[in-house]
Amino acid sequence: QVQLVQSGAEVKKPGASVKVSCKASGYTFTSYYMHWVRQAPGQGLEWMGIINPSGGSTSYAQKFQGRVTMTRDTSTSTVYMELSSLRSEDTAVYYCARVNYYDQAFDPWGQGTLVTVSS
Amino acid sequence: EIVLTQSPGTLSLSPGERATLSCRASQSVSSSYLAWYQQKPGQAPRLLIYGASSRATGIPDRFSGSGSGTDFTLTISRLEPEDFAVYYCQQYGSSPVAFGQGTKLEIK
Repeated sequence: QVQLVQSGAEVKKPGASVKVSCKASGYTFTSYYMHWVRQAPGQGLEWMGIINPSGGSTSYAQKFQGRVTMTRDTSTSTVYMELSSLRSEDTAVYYCARVNYYDQAFDPWGQGTLVTVSS
Repeated sequence: EIVLTQSPGTLSLSPGERATLSCRASQSVSSSYLAWYQQKPGQAPRLLIYGASSRATGIPDRFSGSGSGTDFTLTISRLEPEDFAVYYCQQYGSSPVAFGQGTKLEIK
């Protein structure tokens, strides 16, 4: 079955960077775009960007331009999201989500990775 | 960019009742690329409806979606105890992707 497994929780200091991984299985990795979405504690969902695992092209939300980098490793079927210059407002659960088989809705989602930014 | 506004913010109903959730877009949503997600505490969102009205795999038929253009609705015909959760609408037809702020469906 299609599965996305994310890396474990992280605690970072302000100004640091974090790199979250999302390992895909159960399908052809290069055939489906992958998104990243985050959710601050008690808040709603916020789209961060998208990566094409085939060619590696990316598109980021304007809010994160210059701070986020999405990459992929086709040999391990893994996508990565790196966020730099962390601040307390970046404390959130970060999700990867593949596009749906039928259209571009998000399905499935990874289990989420909690990133805590604290001094 | 498209802004999605969901209403109501909180909906209090009893099991067995019908729930109607609304999602209004600031501009027309391209090709009805409108989805609904359910999220329970501590869990990732789960896709319920895509393309405004198509149920995702494994979703019970008590969930239905309708609408086009700027006005969309998620209807749960008869609430089951497991349906009490937060629901988000999402447009993915144009960049940037956008989510509504969510509707919390709580037990009355």
